[in-house]
Amino acid sequence: DQQVKQNSPSLSVQEGRISILNCDYTNSMFDYFLWYKKYPAEGPTFLISISSIKDKNEDGRFTVFLNKSAKHLSLHIVPSQPGDSAVYFCAASGANSGYALNFGKGTSLLVTP
Amino acid sequence: KAGVTQTPRYLIKTRGQQVTLSCSPISGHRSVSWYQQTPGQGLQFLFEYFSETQRNKGNFPGRFSGRQFSNSRSEMNVSTLELGDSALYLCASSRTTDTNGYTFGSGTRLTVV
Repeated sequence: DQQVKQNSPSLSVQEGRISILNCDYTNSMFDYFLWYKKYPAEGPTFLISISSIKDKNEDGRFTVFLNKSAKHLSLHIVPSQPGDSAVYFCAASGANSGYALNFGKGTSLLVTP
Repeated sequence: KAGVTQTPRYLIKTRGQQVTLSCSPISGHRSVSWYQQTPGQGLQFLFEYFSETQRNKGNFPGRFSGRQFSNSRSEMNVSTLELGDSALYLCASSRTTDTNGYTFGSGTRLTVV
């Protein structure tokens, strides 16, 4: 069963605007959440993470928001750039799963000039 | 510094055969994890090795196995290959179990015909 879900397979945004990628999870024992970015023919690259004790983490143009009560997190990219076009994976982990990463199926982001 | 190296990059095998994939982690990294990526299931955790011991295992059949050597290099083996084993196999390494520190390789694309 998929414990981490990314319900939007794709998203198209204009350059300079905000990109919002969403992720939902079902396992309340997850306590660490990550976003990875993946280009074709490359492995996923770590982007940003957030611990369950926080509700927001910011790193440059990237901000992750966590809503524990809703079991929902989102990644905001502001401003979006064409180089951000990639597949974004949400992942979650917890002690009860040995900190193995549980991934969503990814959202393909296209930033158009 | 050198990244995570996976060999071979591409592989074609016939149903019923067996295959061995290799992963060389970043120098100093003692944890190696393996993931399978397929279009239908996304990225799924196979197993994790730390200091030559399997520390965690995902929900895959016994045909999937792995090992880690004293130099932290890891191999995974799939026996009696099935068409459904066609996937991108990704290896990730980290110093410990810090999921924030996982670095992925570019993967091995396995095609079973």
